[in-house]
Amino acid sequence: DAKTTQPPSMDCAEGRAANLPCNHSTISGNEYVYWYRQIHSQGPQYIIHGLKNNETNEMASLIITEDRKSSTLILPHATLRDTAVYYCIVRAQGAQKLVFGQGTRLTINP
Amino acid sequence: DAGITQSPRHKVTETGTPVTLRCHQTENHRYMYWYRQDPGHGLRLIHYSYGVKDTDKGEVSDGYSVSRSKTEDFLLTLESATSSQTSVYFCAISEDSKISTDTQYFGPGTRLTVL
Repeated sequence: DAKTTQPPSMDCAEGRAANLPCNHSTISGNEYVYWYRQIHSQGPQYIIHGLKNNETNEMASLIITEDRKSSTLILPHATLRDTAVYYCIVRAQGAQKLVFGQGTRLTINP
Repeated sequence: DAGITQSPRHKVTETGTPVTLRCHQTENHRYMYWYRQDPGHGLRLIHYSYGVKDTDKGEVSDGYSVSRSKTEDFLLTLESATSSQTSVYFCAISEDSKISTDTQYFGPGTRLTVL
Protein backbone atom coordinates (compact mmCIF):
# COMPACT_ATOMS: atom_id res chain seq x y z
CA ASP A 1 0.00 0.00 0.00
CA ALA A 2 1.19 3.49 -0.79
CA LYS A 3 2.40 5.64 2.08
CA THR A 4 0.47 8.73 3.11
CA THR A 5 1.71 11.94 4.71
CA GLN A 6 -0.53 14.17 6.82
CA PRO A 7 0.17 17.16 9.06
CA PRO A 8 0.24 16.04 12.70
CA SER A 9 -2.24 18.65 13.87
CA MET A 10 -4.61 21.36 12.68
CA ASP A 11 -7.01 23.83 14.22
CA CYS A 12 -10.26 25.15 12.82
CA ALA A 13 -12.93 27.51 14.11
CA GLU A 14 -16.39 26.15 14.72
CA GLY A 15 -18.69 26.77 11.78
CA ARG A 16 -15.86 27.15 9.29
CA ALA A 17 -14.77 24.61 6.69
CA ALA A 18 -12.01 22.28 7.80
CA ASN A 19 -9.66 21.26 4.99
CA LEU A 20 -7.41 18.32 5.79
CA PRO A 21 -4.64 17.57 3.30
CA CYS A 22 -3.05 14.23 2.51
CA ASN A 23 -0.10 13.43 0.29
CA HIS A 24 0.06 10.02 -1.40
CA SER A 25 2.56 10.58 -4.18
CA THR A 26 3.28 6.85 -4.71
CA ILE A 27 -0.34 5.81 -5.16
CA SER A 28 -0.99 3.14 -7.78
CA GLY A 29 -3.79 3.04 -10.31
CA ASN A 30 -5.87 0.48 -8.42
CA GLU A 31 -5.55 2.11 -5.02
CA TYR A 32 -8.37 4.00 -3.39
CA VAL A 33 -8.12 6.89 -0.94
CA TYR A 34 -10.07 6.32 2.28
CA TRP A 35 -10.67 8.69 5.15
CA TYR A 36 -11.51 7.59 8.68
CA ARG A 37 -11.64 9.49 11.91
CA GLN A 38 -11.28 8.42 15.50
CA ILE A 39 -12.84 10.36 18.31
CA HIS A 40 -11.09 9.81 21.61
CA SER A 41 -11.40 6.22 22.90
CA GLN A 42 -13.89 5.23 20.19
CA GLY A 43 -13.52 2.92 17.21
CA PRO A 44 -12.46 4.44 13.88
CA GLN A 45 -15.38 5.85 11.91
CA TYR A 46 -15.56 5.65 8.13
CA ILE A 47 -16.01 9.02 6.43
CA ILE A 48 -15.57 8.71 2.68
CA HIS A 49 -13.48 7.14 -0.05
CA GLY A 50 -12.71 7.67 -3.72
CA LEU A 51 -10.59 6.53 -6.65
CA LYS A 52 -10.11 9.56 -8.89
CA ASN A 53 -13.33 11.53 -8.98
CA ASN A 54 -14.32 13.96 -6.28
CA GLU A 55 -16.83 12.49 -3.85
CA THR A 56 -19.37 13.98 -1.47
CA ASN A 57 -21.59 12.45 1.17
CA GLU A 58 -23.49 13.68 4.18
CA MET A 59 -20.35 13.94 6.27
CA ALA A 60 -17.70 15.39 3.98
CA SER A 61 -16.28 16.00 0.54
CA LEU A 62 -13.17 14.39 -0.89
CA ILE A 63 -11.15 16.25 -3.49
CA ILE A 64 -8.51 14.20 -5.31
CA THR A 65 -6.00 15.97 -7.56
CA GLU A 66 -5.92 15.02 -11.21
CA ASP A 67 -2.56 13.25 -10.84
CA ARG A 68 -3.96 11.50 -7.71
CA LYS A 69 -0.86 12.32 -5.72
CA SER A 70 -2.75 14.22 -3.06
CA SER A 71 -6.23 14.73 -1.71
CA THR A 72 -8.16 16.98 0.65
CA LEU A 73 -10.95 16.06 3.01
CA ILE A 74 -13.38 18.91 3.54
CA LEU A 75 -15.74 19.16 6.49
CA PRO A 76 -17.96 22.01 5.27
CA HIS A 77 -19.23 23.36 8.60
CA ALA A 78 -17.09 22.02 11.41
CA THR A 79 -18.61 21.50 14.85
CA LEU A 80 -17.00 20.75 18.19
CA ARG A 81 -17.97 17.10 17.70
CA ASP A 82 -15.67 16.93 14.69
CA THR A 83 -12.64 17.16 16.98
CA ALA A 84 -10.83 13.87 16.30
CA VAL A 85 -7.82 12.24 14.68
CA TYR A 86 -8.35 11.97 10.93
CA TYR A 87 -6.65 9.21 8.98
CA CYS A 88 -5.98 9.22 5.25
CA ILE A 89 -5.46 5.66 4.00
CA VAL A 90 -4.53 4.32 0.60
CA ARG A 91 -5.82 0.84 -0.04
CA ALA A 92 -5.88 -1.41 -3.08
CA GLN A 93 -9.22 -2.94 -4.03
CA GLY A 94 -9.41 -6.34 -2.42
CA ALA A 95 -6.66 -5.64 0.12
CA GLN A 96 -7.60 -7.01 3.51
CA LYS A 97 -6.03 -4.57 5.87
CA LEU A 98 -6.30 -0.86 6.39
CA VAL A 99 -2.94 0.71 7.18
CA PHE A 100 -3.43 3.53 9.64
CA GLY A 101 -0.65 6.09 9.93
CA GLN A 102 -0.41 8.75 12.61
CA GLY A 103 -3.19 10.89 11.15
CA THR A 104 -4.02 14.56 11.73
CA ARG A 105 -5.33 15.63 15.10
CA LEU A 106 -8.03 18.18 14.23
CA THR A 107 -9.20 20.50 16.98
CA ILE A 108 -12.34 22.54 16.43
CA ASN A 109 -12.31 25.67 18.55
CA PRO A 110 -15.44 27.52 19.72
CA ASP B 1 -23.67 2.89 12.95
CA ALA B 2 -22.94 -0.69 11.95
CA GLY B 3 -24.30 -3.27 14.39
CA ILE B 4 -21.06 -4.34 16.00
CA THR B 5 -20.57 -5.08 19.66
CA GLN B 6 -17.45 -6.17 21.47
CA SER B 7 -17.22 -7.89 24.84
CA PRO B 8 -15.87 -7.33 27.32
CA ARG B 9 -15.24 -3.61 26.88
CA HIS B 10 -12.57 -3.59 29.57
CA LYS B 11 -10.52 -6.42 31.02
CA VAL B 12 -7.60 -6.68 33.39
CA THR B 13 -5.82 -10.01 33.55
CA GLU B 14 -2.55 -11.50 34.67
CA THR B 15 0.36 -12.72 32.62
CA GLY B 16 -0.03 -16.34 31.53
CA THR B 17 -3.81 -16.50 31.68
CA PRO B 18 -5.95 -17.21 28.63
CA VAL B 19 -8.21 -14.43 27.40
CA THR B 20 -11.00 -14.48 24.82
CA LEU B 21 -12.47 -11.38 23.24
CA ARG B 22 -15.73 -11.54 21.36
CA CYS B 23 -16.97 -9.57 18.38
CA HIS B 24 -20.62 -9.85 17.44
CA GLN B 25 -22.27 -8.37 14.34
CA THR B 26 -25.88 -8.09 13.25
CA GLU B 27 -25.12 -7.04 9.65
CA ASN B 28 -24.55 -10.53 8.20
CA HIS B 29 -21.28 -9.29 6.66
CA ARG B 30 -18.91 -11.88 5.30
CA TYR B 31 -15.60 -10.37 6.47
CA MET B 32 -14.53 -9.75 10.04
CA TYR B 33 -11.23 -8.40 11.32
CA TRP B 34 -9.30 -7.98 14.55
CA TYR B 35 -6.93 -5.02 14.94
CA ARG B 36 -4.91 -3.78 17.85
CA GLN B 37 -4.06 -0.16 18.51
CA ASP B 38 -0.97 0.94 20.39
CA PRO B 39 0.60 4.38 20.80
CA GLY B 40 3.06 5.05 18.00
CA HIS B 41 1.87 2.12 15.89
CA GLY B 42 -1.62 3.04 14.73
CA LEU B 43 -3.95 0.10 14.10
CA ARG B 44 -2.41 -3.21 13.06
CA LEU B 45 -4.26 -6.20 11.67
CA ILE B 46 -4.05 -9.37 13.80
CA HIS B 47 -6.32 -11.85 12.00
CA TYR B 48 -9.26 -11.73 9.68
CA SER B 49 -12.04 -14.03 8.55
CA TYR B 50 -13.62 -14.30 5.11
CA GLY B 51 -16.36 -16.71 6.10
CA VAL B 52 -17.42 -19.28 8.66
CA LYS B 53 -14.36 -21.35 9.60
CA ASP B 54 -12.23 -19.38 7.09
CA THR B 55 -9.55 -17.27 8.71
CA ASP B 56 -6.12 -15.92 7.86
CA LYS B 57 -3.25 -14.16 9.58
CA GLY B 58 -2.58 -10.45 9.59
CA GLU B 59 0.69 -8.67 10.26
CA VAL B 60 0.86 -9.21 14.05
CA SER B 61 -0.70 -12.65 14.55
CA ASP B 62 1.90 -14.24 16.85
CA GLY B 63 0.38 -15.10 20.23
CA TYR B 64 -3.21 -14.87 18.95
CA SER B 65 -5.69 -17.34 17.58
CA VAL B 66 -9.19 -16.79 16.18
CA SER B 67 -12.31 -18.76 15.53
CA ARG B 68 -15.48 -18.16 13.59
CA SER B 69 -18.15 -20.82 13.99
CA LYS B 70 -21.04 -18.52 13.08
CA THR B 71 -21.32 -15.61 10.65
CA GLU B 72 -22.10 -13.20 13.46
CA ASP B 73 -19.31 -14.04 15.90
CA PHE B 74 -15.54 -13.72 15.63
CA LEU B 75 -13.48 -14.66 18.67
CA LEU B 76 -9.92 -13.57 19.42
CA THR B 77 -8.00 -15.71 21.92
CA LEU B 78 -4.78 -14.95 23.69
CA GLU B 79 -3.67 -18.43 24.75
CA SER B 80 -1.25 -17.12 27.37
CA ALA B 81 -1.46 -13.37 27.79
CA THR B 82 1.74 -11.31 27.99
CA SER B 83 2.28 -7.70 29.01
CA SER B 84 3.11 -6.84 25.37
CA GLN B 85 -0.48 -7.70 24.51
CA THR B 86 -1.80 -4.85 26.61
CA SER B 87 -3.63 -2.82 24.00
CA VAL B 88 -6.96 -1.65 22.68
CA TYR B 89 -8.51 -4.26 20.40
CA PHE B 90 -10.92 -3.31 17.64
CA CYS B 91 -13.13 -5.56 15.61
CA ALA B 92 -14.21 -4.53 12.12
CA ILE B 93 -16.59 -5.92 9.53
CA SER B 94 -17.04 -5.54 5.79
CA GLU B 95 -19.36 -6.96 3.21
CA ASP B 96 -16.87 -8.01 0.57
CA SER B 97 -13.28 -6.77 0.32
CA LYS B 98 -13.12 -7.44 -3.42
CA ILE B 99 -15.61 -4.80 -4.47
CA SER B 100 -14.73 -1.15 -4.80
CA THR B 101 -17.39 0.08 -2.43
CA ASP B 102 -16.31 -2.23 0.36
CA THR B 103 -15.78 -0.38 3.61
CA GLN B 104 -14.67 -1.62 6.99
CA TYR B 105 -16.80 -0.58 9.95
CA PHE B 106 -15.35 -0.72 13.42
CA GLY B 107 -16.68 -1.74 16.80
CA PRO B 108 -16.27 0.26 20.03
CA GLY B 109 -13.11 -1.54 21.14
CA THR B 110 -11.93 -3.63 24.10
CA ARG B 111 -9.28 -2.23 26.41
CA LEU B 112 -7.12 -5.11 27.66
CA THR B 113 -4.52 -4.73 30.39
CA VAL B 114 -2.15 -7.61 31.15
CA LEU B 115 -0.37 -7.25 34.47
